[in-house]
Amino acid sequence: AQSVTQPDIHITVSEGASLELRCNYSYGATPYLFWYVQSPGQGLQLLLKYFSGDTLVQGIKGFEAEFKRSQSSFNLRKPSVHWSDAAEYFCAVGAGQAGTALIFGKGTTLSVSS
Amino acid sequence: DSGVTQTPKHLITATGQRVTLRCSPRSGDLSVYWYQQSLDQGLQFLIQYYNGEERAKGNILERFSAQQFPDLHSELNLSSLELGDSALYFCASSVTQSGNTIYFGEGSWLTVV
Repeated sequence: AQSVTQPDIHITVSEGASLELRCNYSYGATPYLFWYVQSPGQGLQLLLKYFSGDTLVQGIKGFEAEFKRSQSSFNLRKPSVHWSDAAEYFCAVGAGQAGTALIFGKGTTLSVSS
Repeated sequence: DSGVTQTPKHLITATGQRVTLRCSPRSGDLSVYWYQQSLDQGLQFLIQYYNGEERAKGNILERFSAQQFPDLHSELNLSSLELGDSALYFCASSVTQSGNTIYFGEGSWLTVV
């Protein structure tokens, strides 16, 4: 069965510092991988996605993620964090067939200190 | 704005009652998904419809049901509500023929008192 693990429940980063949020997935075939962000009281906004091809994918708001098949990971990175990045981040995996539902990790809450 | 519209945004109701949550998918999207987000369970997939037909079922209780209408909007019906059903319910949609990118609405906050 598909599953997603986000090992860090809560991370605090200083403004301007780099960020890496970890995501490990379990899936038998090539997965579709996603990162979503949820600000307080808001819906889920898609940051980036990996379907195939280049394993380093660029997303919105300066985020990027790298797919590492050997490590079953899809970590999210940002070189310089802004206070507005404080939110909850969710990693998700989807099956290879188009249109199947996503399975989400428990989320990582990012706090940004000044 | 994802293009997925959910109503109502907030709802407070009593235990034992029944509510209906409504979702309009993005224009052109044929697939609709319902998710429940709670503090203890996180984001749980409930059910998916594709072009009016049920496509996949997740952790949906028997007290809950959904449908997708010919105009592709969807409704999630929650009955015999319990305190534990208080959660944020998300609707999402995707164009299945183009891959698996799923766009989420802003959610419907349900509080059962």
